[in-house]
Amino acid sequence: GESVGLHLPTLSVQEGDNSIINCAYSNSASDYFIWYKQESGKGPQFIIDIRSNMDKRQGQRVTVLLNKTVKHLSLQIAATQPGDSAVYFCAALTGGGNKLTFGTGTQLKVEL
Amino acid sequence: EAGVTQSPTHLIKTRGQQATLRCSPISGHTSVYWYQQALGLGLQFLLWYDEGEERNRGNFPPRFSGRQFPNYSSELNVNALELEDSALYLCASSLSSGGNNEQFFGPGTRLTVL
Repeated sequence: GESVGLHLPTLSVQEGDNSIINCAYSNSASDYFIWYKQESGKGPQFIIDIRSNMDKRQGQRVTVLLNKTVKHLSLQIAATQPGDSAVYFCAALTGGGNKLTFGTGTQLKVEL
Repeated sequence: EAGVTQSPTHLIKTRGQQATLRCSPISGHTSVYWYQQALGLGLQFLLWYDEGEERNRGNFPPRFSGRQFPNYSSELNVNALELEDSALYLCASSLSSGGNNEQFFGPGTRLTVL
């Protein structure tokens, strides 16, 4: 199976700084990874994804890095804003099926 | 375009009762997924339906069941409710099951078991 964990339950950053949220996965066969953002009272919202044949992917203010050697991925948010405050989940997909395994989440707090 | 919708928003039941949660996917999506998010925990995969069939199931007891209707909407049924079933139940939908299709989530149903 697959288990996904995050390194820190809570991350506090100053507005304008860059945020880095880390995630580890256990199954080397996992081939697709997604980062979700969940604001209070809402369902998870897709941020960015990456396939295992890539090691970096950039979106608007976000970058996902994948290190398959150590089974680690990270989400980098540039110039963190108060609206970025939320819980961030990484999820892994294994074997082409549609079952996503989610990590427990990191609460990002942006301090003004 | 309307997103994934779920009803009810909140549901309060007592132990031993049955709960029925409903989900309408995004138009054109044929796959529906159910997840349980207990307080302080990540999302736990419950069920995946596609084209009316159950395709995959998470590590939950048989009293968690569901179905998908011809219009691709879905129901999640939880029988013989237990206190630990209290959680946010999230539904997601995606395009057809082939490949790595992005899952779009609804706002969830908050189930409280007293």
